Amino acid sequence: GNSVTQMEGPVTLSEEAFLTINCTYTATGYPSLFWYVQYPGEGLQLLLKATKADDKGSNKGFEATYRKETTSFHLEKGSVQVSDSAVYFCALVRRSTGFQKLVFGTGTRLLVSP
Amino acid sequence: DAGITQSPRYKITETGRQVTLMCHQTWSHSYMFWYRQDLGHGLRLIYYSAAADITDKGEVPDGYVVSRSKTENFPLTLESATRSQTSVYFCASSESIREAGTDTQYFGPGTRLTVL
Repeated sequence: GNSVTQMEGPVTLSEEAFLTINCTYTATGYPSLFWYVQYPGEGLQLLLKATKADDKGSNKGFEATYRKETTSFHLEKGSVQVSDSAVYFCALVRRSTGFQKLVFGTGTRLLVSP
Repeated sequence: DAGITQSPRYKITETGRQVTLMCHQTWSHSYMFWYRQDLGHGLRLIYYSAAADITDKGEVPDGYVVSRSKTENFPLTLESATRSQTSVYFCASSESIREAGTDTQYFGPGTRLTVL
């Protein structure tokens, strides 16, 4: 079946450090891939997405590249800020006719200290 | 205000009681979803709806009932609450599935439910 595996957290970084959160997936066919972010006390927000191999999604300084050969979609940011502290979820949906549900990873908490 | 809202934000109830969580969206999105969020599981889909009067089961539907008589509302009812239903519940909506799976889902702020 379809599944997403994320690195365990929390990830603790100092401000301006480089961030990588690993995400790998298992899916039939060629899924669309997403990163969602959940700030404290809030619902999830779409951070970025990629719908085909070699696509790069980017937003707010975050980037992730759809790597079909390694079935990965790692999230990166060159210089994190305290305001980036949140839980990050990798997700996929299988591309098909009709409804296909989003499959989420378990989330990775990021803590950024000043 | 425009957007997707949930009520109540916090609820404590007892085992065996019926509880209804409300979800309202102002975008006239076709699709609406209910998820539960538990440590170690991420988000799991409970039910979804493609349009008014059309609902279908997700991954973990047992113990839950939904209805969608109006496009903008999608209430979730726990008919007889159990401790295992203690969780954070999120409602979401999306405009359509033009190309299946690529439409953004917009999430509400969540309802934290505790069943004693």
